[in-house]
Amino acid sequence: QLQLQESGPGLVKPSQTLSLTCTVSGGSISDATYYWSWIRQHPGKGLEWLGYIYYNGYISYNPSLKSRVSVSIDTSQNQFSLKVSSVTAADTAVYYCATYNYATGSFHYWGQGTLVTVSS
Amino acid sequence: DIQMTQSPSSLSASVGDRVTITCQTSQDIGNYLSWYQQKPGKAPKLLMYDASNLETGVPSRFSGRGSGTDFTFTISSLQPEDIATYYCQQYDNLLTFGGGTKVELK
Repeated sequence: QLQLQESGPGLVKPSQTLSLTCTVSGGSISDATYYWSWIRQHPGKGLEWLGYIYYNGYISYNPSLKSRVSVSIDTSQNQFSLKVSSVTAADTAVYYCATYNYATGSFHYWGQGTLVTVSS
Repeated sequence: DIQMTQSPSSLSASVGDRVTITCQTSQDIGNYLSWYQQKPGKAPKLLMYDASNLETGVPSRFSGRGSGTDFTFTISSLQPEDIATYYCQQYDNLLTFGGGTKVELK
């Protein structure tokens, strides 16, 4: 059973870059079944898909954030990462990594989530 | 962008009640819709995909139907462990979620 775990700073200053890593265990990040995804949830609000990356490097982003978001993958470490640049208080949220299965169109496995607060 | 309208935003029901949530999309998405359950402080859990296919291990009291722009999600007999917020998600064009429905016990 796949397990995902987010890691990274819980506090980021405005205008800086938010960086998170998701470590995958119980399976290989080179598994062709999944697209490795990032989703966030503003406090008390709904879910927002940020983007995903496939093991071969294919990437798709949410157009609303595309200019500030980047995802990358490190197959040697079984990890994938998220960067959000020029953050503001509006980027304060719980950030989840998850697996997206293209065949079902759904997010099957999720990390526990990590709260990132943007504040000076 | 495909807009998702989920209703109601919250509801109160008693144990054993039938609970129905609707999700409406701004354009035809076929059956490319999933449903998730999220309990406080936890990550969402996939319940259903392709509008009506139950994810492995999900109780059969959960069901879904619909296609095109109108979808429903039903809990046939509400159990205490079903208290959560439920989200729909479309995957026809990029990936977007509905606003959520919070289900509480009356």
